[in-house]
Amino acid sequence: AQSVTQPDIHITVSEGASLELRCNYSYGATPYLFWYVQSPGQGLQLLLKYFSGDTLVQGIKGFEAEFKRSQSSFNLRKPSVHWSDAAEYFCALEYGNKLVFGAGTILRVKS
Amino acid sequence: DVKVTQSSRYLVKRTGEKVFLECVQDMDHENMFWYRQDPGLGLRLIYFSYDVKMKEKGDIPEGYSVSREKKERFSLILESASTNQTSMYLCASTTGQGSDTQYFGPGTRLTVL
Repeated sequence: AQSVTQPDIHITVSEGASLELRCNYSYGATPYLFWYVQSPGQGLQLLLKYFSGDTLVQGIKGFEAEFKRSQSSFNLRKPSVHWSDAAEYFCALEYGNKLVFGAGTILRVKS
Repeated sequence: DVKVTQSSRYLVKRTGEKVFLECVQDMDHENMFWYRQDPGLGLRLIYFSYDVKMKEKGDIPEGYSVSREKKERFSLILESASTNQTSMYLCASTTGQGSDTQYFGPGTRLTVL
């Protein structure tokens, strides 16, 4: 069955430091993968998505993600974190026009 | 820009009440979805709809029903609210074309006392 795992519930990074949020998936076919961000009190906003082609995907707000089929991973990265990046991040996999989400990773940014 | 609106940001109801959560999208999207979001569990799909008057169960439909009488509106109904339905509810829509982005509303935080 399809599933998404985000191993880290909370991550704290210093402002200006690099960030990597982990996402692993389980799916029998080529996955369509997404990263969403949810700021406090807000709905989810799409950061980036992977359908096919180049395995390094660029998104909004300076985020990127790399699809690695051999590791069943789709990790999200940012070279330099800003205080405004503090939010909850969700990785998701699409199947049959539906999404299955990971449990989310809460990012805290310390100054 | 796509806009998905939900009728209430915060709602407090009593056990046993019938609760309606409304969602409206303004982009003529075919597909609409209702999720609930709980800490440590992410988003879980309750129901979705591919067309007017059509509905499909998601992963956790028990205790919920839905209605889609018009293309732009998708309602989630709690027939008899219970305390374990206290949660954040998120609505989303998408065109229905393969791999399209889901657009989310701001959410309704429901508390059942």
